[in-house]
Amino acid sequence: SAVISQKPSRDICQRGTSLTIQCQVDSQVTMMFWYRQQPGQSLTLIATANQGSEATYESGFVIDKFPISRPNLTFSTLTVSNMSPEDSSIYLCSGEEGHTEAFFGQGTRLTVV
Amino acid sequence: QKEVEQNSGPLSVPEGAIASLNCTYSDRGSQSFFWYRQYSGKSPELIMSIYSNGDKEDGRFTAQLNKASQYVSLLIRDSQPSDSATYLCAVTSGGSNYKLTFGKGTLLTVNP
Repeated sequence: SAVISQKPSRDICQRGTSLTIQCQVDSQVTMMFWYRQQPGQSLTLIATANQGSEATYESGFVIDKFPISRPNLTFSTLTVSNMSPEDSSIYLCSGEEGHTEAFFGQGTRLTVV
Repeated sequence: QKEVEQNSGPLSVPEGAIASLNCTYSDRGSQSFFWYRQYSGKSPELIMSIYSNGDKEDGRFTAQLNKASQYVSLLIRDSQPSDSATYLCAVTSGGSNYKLTFGKGTLLTVNP
């Protein structure tokens, strides 16, 4: 199956700053997704990123806080803006393959201090 | 709000036993169902997908789907200590073929 390289794998950031997470897929995928996994919780979808159009955000997530880019079919970025300690979480990107079988990047463990 | 519910666990089984993981979902329009395994500190990895009613077997894993009951399960036969992980149930939802809603996961421990 396809492989996603996600970076950084972890970071510790100061509150009020922003962090951009990158995902590179080794093949073309139509749709990519960004998830958040808070400590002890399951995955929550942040947004769906399609190439050539604006990302579609889920309820509770807004573009100003989580801007997303999708410049081509193998790459996407998620920025966590104006961070606060509540943004401390694992962020995961995924792509779909075949019949909606999603595969994930390695995750970014973010700690905001 | 579309929901996916899993038995809360943690679930502990002896090595060699059958582990049974259960999941119910609220969206009758869900079409695709997945089980992911997540080791501590790692990202989820797909272990089973199922799309039609009945059983699907892959090695030691069997997924069962009952759309009428809105129920999907995962059986792990001959459980091994390496199966110890959190198992996440995920279903497509919201009328989409791609958007996944995840359950909170069941922590499985296989004791040697």
